[in-house]
Amino acid sequence: QQQVKQSPQSLIVQKGGISIINCAYENTAFDYFPWYQQFPGKGPALLIAIRPDVSEKKEGRFTISFNKSAKQFSLHIMDSQPGDSATYFCAAYGSARQLTFGSGTQLTVLP
Amino acid sequence: DADVTQTPRNRITKTGKRIMLECSQTKGHDRMYWYRQDPGLGLRLIYYSFDVKDINKGEISDGYSVSRQAQAKFSLSLESAIPNQTALYFCATSDRGKRGNNEQFFGPGTRLTVL
Repeated sequence: QQQVKQSPQSLIVQKGGISIINCAYENTAFDYFPWYQQFPGKGPALLIAIRPDVSEKKEGRFTISFNKSAKQFSLHIMDSQPGDSATYFCAAYGSARQLTFGSGTQLTVLP
Repeated sequence: DADVTQTPRNRITKTGKRIMLECSQTKGHDRMYWYRQDPGLGLRLIYYSFDVKDINKGEISDGYSVSRQAQAKFSLSLESAIPNQTALYFCATSDRGKRGNNEQFFGPGTRLTVL
């Protein structure tokens, strides 16, 4: 049972465009929602995270939008660059003290 | 030097063989985790350990076992490998964290192929 559903599975964006990746969750006990970025041959690394008491968090070109009532959150990458090409995972953390990951989105930014 | 190291980085083995994947960390974290990554399935938790005497099963523990030899070392074993255990395996660590944010730090991964 996948508790965090992520879409799309792959995304191709032109340089300078906006990349948007969406996630939805079921468990209302989740209270921390991170995004991890993974480059080929590397382990995932934390990119940005949000708690459900705020609706948006921005760090540079990366923004998380959070809709608690809809149980959805999304990652927006503004002015996408070829160096942003990677796999992105949303995740959720809660009372079970485990991170539950989405299925991943492979982002390709064309030069 | 890498904070979280995994050995081996690549391994090819045959069905029925016993395999051990090792993880070491110099971050001083209490918590360690083993995940497997498969295309289209994301990262799934196999086992996790919050300290040396605390071992817990994750979502997909069947066919796997672990050993927490010390705070810094956490090993994953496949007692009798089967082809559907072919995957990319990651070790991760975390501190108790502030407000339970549980940022996890991942190793570089071990690519395991079971023939």
